[in-house]
Amino acid sequence: DSGVTQTPKHLITATGQRVTLRCSPRSGDLSVYWYQQSLDQGLQFLIQYYNGEERAKGNILERFSAQQFPDLHSELNLSSLELGDSALYFCASSVDGAENGYTFGSGTRLTVV
Amino acid sequence: DAKTTQPPSMDCAEGRAANLPCNHSTISGNEYVYWYRQIHSQGPQYIIHGLKNNETNEMASLIITEDRKSSTLILPHATLRDTAVYYCIVRVAINDYKLSFGAGTTVTVRA
Repeated sequence: DSGVTQTPKHLITATGQRVTLRCSPRSGDLSVYWYQQSLDQGLQFLIQYYNGEERAKGNILERFSAQQFPDLHSELNLSSLELGDSALYFCASSVDGAENGYTFGSGTRLTVV
Repeated sequence: DAKTTQPPSMDCAEGRAANLPCNHSTISGNEYVYWYRQIHSQGPQYIIHGLKNNETNEMASLIITEDRKSSTLILPHATLRDTAVYYCIVRVAINDYKLSFGAGTTVTVRA
């Protein structure tokens, strides 16, 4: 157990629907990062939040949004889902100021049918 | 971030050392070398990182050349559980800076 909790582990939904993925960071970590991993692509950085505020944005689609709440958990919202959104979605967290890398969760596997 | 070049795949015999090369010829003076691995669809796992000096921890050793243009990750006694994709990443070591993953090296440890 890495200490980063992602729910649900698996999600199957239909095209056009909206889903919410949840991430609870390791205790004490203020930063949360979201990554997408499709079969034909590597790990793609989507977005980072630090202590409730957006810090960095990567290749995140306009149909996707995220937020970090006061208790530091984060949610990634995916709407108007397409078949191509099927992927593993990983959350990672880190302590600001530490250089010892990120801790990743075990991911949410999203299947859009 | 400086780009890295890794071989796409390599095999290793169980119990032997696995030496994973990484080329990062455009690395800047303030960029660290990080290694992560991903075991079959699990979340990536941090292994080790370094700036200039060689580093060792309970998982692996990291050897960085004097000119810092390349490095080698060493798994001293590979086991079947070390079969994974290994990513070499260079980045500035501040925590609000995203990690950019490349294609990595698929390492297969064979019995």
